[in-house]
Order: sequence, then structure tokens, then C-alpha cells
Amino acid sequence: GEDVEQSLFLSVREGDSSVINCTYTDSSSTYLYWYKQEPGAGLQLLTYIFSNMDMKQDQRLTVLLNKKDKHLSLRIADTQTGDSAIYFCASATGGYNKLIFGAGTRLAVHP
Amino acid sequence: SQTIHQWPATLVQPVGSPLSLECTVEGTSNPNLYWYRQAAGRGLQLLFYSVGIGQISSEVPQNLSASRPQDRQFILSSKKLLLSDSGFYLCAWSGRGAVEQFFGPGTRLTVL
Repeated sequence: GEDVEQSLFLSVREGDSSVINCTYTDSSSTYLYWYKQEPGAGLQLLTYIFSNMDMKQDQRLTVLLNKKDKHLSLRIADTQTGDSAIYFCASATGGYNKLIFGAGTRLAVHP
Repeated sequence: SQTIHQWPATLVQPVGSPLSLECTVEGTSNPNLYWYRQAAGRGLQLLFYSVGIGQISSEVPQNLSASRPQDRQFILSSKKLLLSDSGFYLCAWSGRGAVEQFFGPGTRLTVL
């Protein structure tokens, strides 16, 4: 079946930029998403990108999409301690907006 | 504005007992509804989705079932829980034709 893969852990210093990477296998994915999960909570939609776009910027967040390589990244500028969380990449596949998720990247921000 | 509720927030159940988790959405009509499960340290797996009252599609074979008795209500059930049913269950909704999918706060189920 289709798959989404992410590295499991990233540690950055407060104030630096964080880059979280994701690869997916479904070449027919229409939209790709980034969600944030804080401990014990549900998922918060951060941003998404249409598969025909290369880049999307939203305040401190920049999403880059390389459709040829099926590679998605999320850059967080000026990372803060409040950004510490698990970040999930997801692709929309088939109809009805069904999402396939990666295993999540745990971002740790240290002083 | 739209909100999504799930209850209970946490649940501890013995093996072989029944299960009923409820999800309701407010502030929207005719949403698509979804149930996902997150096993410990893993990503989310889509279990069921629904595009209307009484319409349920199952994504993976399992010990669970889903029902949608009302437009904004989605229920996840089991007749007899297994240890492997433990996990974090998340309900989500999206508007018809919309791109965004929004998640509820989740229910943590522990089967002992």
C-alpha cells in the first residue's frame, strides 16, 4: 500500500531553524499536510500544500514540495520551545480526503 | 465556528468487554467523518470514514465497527475488546469538497 516516511527525531536550539523531512509514495497524492501534536492532545492542522505547488509560506512556516522525488519538508523559522511537539506529514489519497500519515517526527527545542 | 468533541477522554476496559466511543461535530452540516487510531509511538491509521448518515466505509479489517446515526455523530464500537485495540482514537471531520481535515481531542483506550 501507499506509505509516508519521516525521520523520528530532531533536536534544535531555540532561535534556530528546524527542517522536518517527509517522503511519500503515492504519486497521485493531491494534497500534502503537516500536523502538530502536543502531548496527550489531538492533531492541529498547521498547513497544507497542493501537489502542483513547489512552495508555500505561512508566517514562520515554509513548506517545500519536490513532486519528482516525492519529498516534502517543513521549515520552522526562529524555533521556540513552544514548537516542541510531534509533527506528522500526511498525504491525501483517493477520494473523500482520506489521509495517510507518517510515524511523526519528535521535535525537541533546547535553550 | 466548528468544534469537534470526543468522549470519553480516557477509558480502561478489560479484554472481552464492549466499547462505544462517541464523536460529535458542531457548527457544520453534512461533514465527512473519520476514525483514526494511533498506536503507541506510531502514526495514525485510518479505520473508518463516512460521507453521510448510515454510510460507513472500512479501511482495515479489524475487531471494530462504526456507525453514523445522525449527521454530526460518529460512533466507534466493539462487541469484545482485544489487547491490540489499545491506542489513541481520534475522530476527524472535513467539509464536503474541502481540503482541511480537523481532529478532535482523542480518546485514550487501554485494554487490560
